[in-house]
Amino acid sequence: ETGVTQTPRHLVMGMTNKKSLKCEQHLGHNAMYWYKQSAKKPLELMFVYNFKEQTENNSVPSRFSPECPNSSHLFLHLHTLQPEDSALYLCASSLHSGQGSGGEKLFFGSGTQLSVL
Amino acid sequence: AQTVTQSQPEMSVQEAETVTLSCTYDTSESDYYLFWYKQPPSRQMILVIRQEAYKQQNATENRFSVNFQKAAKSFSLKISDSQLGDAAMYFCAYRLEGGSQGNLIFGKGTKLSVKP
Repeated sequence: ETGVTQTPRHLVMGMTNKKSLKCEQHLGHNAMYWYKQSAKKPLELMFVYNFKEQTENNSVPSRFSPECPNSSHLFLHLHTLQPEDSALYLCASSLHSGQGSGGEKLFFGSGTQLSVL
Repeated sequence: AQTVTQSQPEMSVQEAETVTLSCTYDTSESDYYLFWYKQPPSRQMILVIRQEAYKQQNATENRFSVNFQKAAKSFSLKISDSQLGDAAMYFCAYRLEGGSQGNLIFGKGTKLSVKP
């Protein structure tokens, strides 16, 4: 148990559906991240939040909409997804997000395996 | 652009034996961090070991150690006395000094099997 919890564990949705992924951490961390892990592709950083503020968006399509109401919770709202969006979505947290903090350890959740039909 | 290459898609080791996973990276920077993360079937990525590029001494964590060759841009992971619980995907990752903590460049991973 690393202290980062993601729900649901699995999700199947149609292209016209709207769904949300949830991530929760009670480690006292200030930074939270969304990653996408596709089959046979390296893990890709999607969004970075630091103290509830989005600090990075790595050219993610607008059909993915993140929300960070507080430092402990992070959501990823999904709408009108495409089949190529099927992947494992991982959430992570760290004490800090910014520069000068050294090689901090990231704590990951177990991910949501998303299938878009 | 920085890249991370893991040339071994799959590796196998006998329980109690030693195995080395390879990783090379490409960067023109001199200050950076390197990591090995493990992803077991539970899907949770877990940090195994990390190395600061400015440190010449290779990092070690119990049965895990690295061979960091900065000039060769090589960062291999050695697992000694392999255990069944070591079976997982292993990802090598790079982060530039000064960048966001989460802005890691990952390799495609090596799937390690441990035979009893």
